[in-house]
Amino acid sequence: DVKVTQSSRYLVKRTGEKVFLECVQDMDHENMFWYRQDPGLGLRLIYFSYDVKMKEKGDIPEGYSVSREKKERFSLILESASTNQTSMYLCATRGAYEQYFGPGTRLTVT
Amino acid sequence: KNQVEQSPQSLIILEGKNCTLQCNYTVSPFSNLRWYKQDTGRGPVSLTIMTFSENTKSNGRYTATLDADTKQSSLHITASQLSDSASYICVVSASITGGSYIPTFGRGTSLIVHP
Repeated sequence: DVKVTQSSRYLVKRTGEKVFLECVQDMDHENMFWYRQDPGLGLRLIYFSYDVKMKEKGDIPEGYSVSREKKERFSLILESASTNQTSMYLCATRGAYEQYFGPGTRLTVT
Repeated sequence: KNQVEQSPQSLIILEGKNCTLQCNYTVSPFSNLRWYKQDTGRGPVSLTIMTFSENTKSNGRYTATLDADTKQSSLHITASQLSDSASYICVVSASITGGSYIPTFGRGTSLIVHP
């Protein structure tokens, strides 16, 4: 079974803090993704990575950065958290035909 | 622009009843279509996946259909249970060079099953 884990299920941070969201996968997949999910908007792609140290911007990269130092780990970084970044964050990997999602991190920025 | 539209946006049914969720897409070139179930506060979990040549795929009480000509898919849930209460997301992927694909997500249908 593919396993995608995220470091936290719930996170509360203050405005201006630097926030790290970690994602780890155990299936040796090359492609990894970070999405945010907001009510009525569905999943929106923030960044994705197709190899170690490689990254590509998704549809809404502003305010975020990523790091992929090892194949199994893909980190999302909020350099200076803002209240409009309160959301559910989902990490995913991609196999031959489908994506596998982590359990999600619900981030609240106060 | 690739788009995936789902309907209805939300649906309430009684336990034991059947229901059908719709997905229309304009994604090209088509690679595959997947239905995911997402419980509240959880990540999406795959229910079915269909490629161009498949028009029906079942997973227990879930049956997905695909009409590649009209670019429509449906997810039929038979004899609904309380545990079916969730958001159902249609994801259609376009092929890109190198054999990979880019997914486009629908906004989901929120299903509530009442006892």
